[in-house]
Formats: sequence, structure tokens, C-alpha cells
Amino acid sequence: SAVISQKPSRDICQRGTSLTIQCQVDSQVTMMFWYRQQPGQSLTLIATANQGSEATYESGFVIDKFPISRPNLTFSTLTVSNMSPEDSSIYLCSVGFRAKADTQYFGPGTRLTVL
Amino acid sequence: AQTVTQSQPEMSVQEAETVTLSCTYDTSESDYYLFWYKQPPSRQMILVIRQEAYKQQNATENRFSVNFQKAAKSFSLKISDSQLGDAAMYFCAYRSYPRDDKIIFGKGTRLHILP
Repeated sequence: SAVISQKPSRDICQRGTSLTIQCQVDSQVTMMFWYRQQPGQSLTLIATANQGSEATYESGFVIDKFPISRPNLTFSTLTVSNMSPEDSSIYLCSVGFRAKADTQYFGPGTRLTVL
Repeated sequence: AQTVTQSQPEMSVQEAETVTLSCTYDTSESDYYLFWYKQPPSRQMILVIRQEAYKQQNATENRFSVNFQKAAKSFSLKISDSQLGDAAMYFCAYRSYPRDDKIIFGKGTRLHILP
């Protein structure tokens, strides 16, 4: 497995502002993903973070709202832009190894509240 | 498209007893992976157990075991000798192989452990 950290662990933000969430892994990983978990709901994949190229977004998520960077094999950021109360969620980073392509491991999540 | 259904939003079990969480899925693929993840109040997603669809033998991890019925598209989780630390949200999840890295999650079952 891998040790995955996320910063910040939680934040309270004002409507209209942006927040960047960081995901750091202690080893090089093949795949990195960003998920959203709305209150009381399951996890929904936002996008796959691709190293050195643009992220691959799922239906309903766009780059202007959720820009993602992945400059190397151990680090990625997700920005939630122009926030509204509907963006209040837990945002989770997950990673996968090509050698163990079946399994993803999750970070501790970032709890975001938008007022 | 693949779907994952967990029909039990909440369940309770007495400490030291056995409980089974249900999960069904829908897919037209023959090769895939199935998972159970646990999310305690700390919100850290923890992999409990995984099953490869091509394996007939049911996966087991200590007190956790699955009943995988491929023809019925059923994947239940049995927790034996339930402990207070087992209290959490449990998510059943599906991943196709090798085509897609995306994991599809069910809506979850909240498990309460009664002392």
C-alpha cells in the first residue's frame, strides 16, 4: 500500500472563493484520482490526474471548476473554483499501482464547508 | 453501464455476533474486481477485502469473508465476531478489468455495533 496525506484536512470557505487541496504520496504511483463525497452520499469520481498532461474528467465535472495538476508521480492538487454551498463535500485523493492494478488506496480526505 | 446496489442503508449487530452486508451489481463484463471498503467516522477509506471475478474461491481476510456469486451478480460481506471498531460505513465497489481504472461505489451500508 502507500501512505497518502492530504492538506488541508478541513476548511471553511466563503462563497465565490477557491481552495486548492494537496495530495502527497510516500512512493511513486501510477494512477491518482480525485473523488467527491457529498454529505451522507457515496463517492463519485471527479477526474483521473495524469502526470504531465491534462486530467481526464468524468461526466458532470469540468476543468474550469475543478482544475487538477499532477507535476510528478507522488503529488497532485485539486482546486475547487468559485465555490458555492453545493460544493460542500469531502474530497478524497486515491492512488493506484500498475503492479497492483486492481486496488486503489485512499487519502484521509478534506472536509470542505462553503458558507 | 455498471451499477452497484446496496439495499441495506443501515444495520445493527450485537458485539461478537456475525453480520452479513449485501451487495449486488450489474455488468456485462466477464472480468472485473469487487471490493468492500470501510469508512469509519474518521472518514479514511480502508480497503477491507477484494475479489477477482475469475476466481471461484471466496476471499477471506481474518474475520471478514465474502460470498461471491458470479451468476447471481451478488457479493456479500460477512463479518464474524463483530467488534466495536467495526462500526463504520461499508461501501461495495466494482472495477472493470483491464479496460477501466474507475471504481464504481454503492451507496453504502452504515453498520452499528451494539455493546
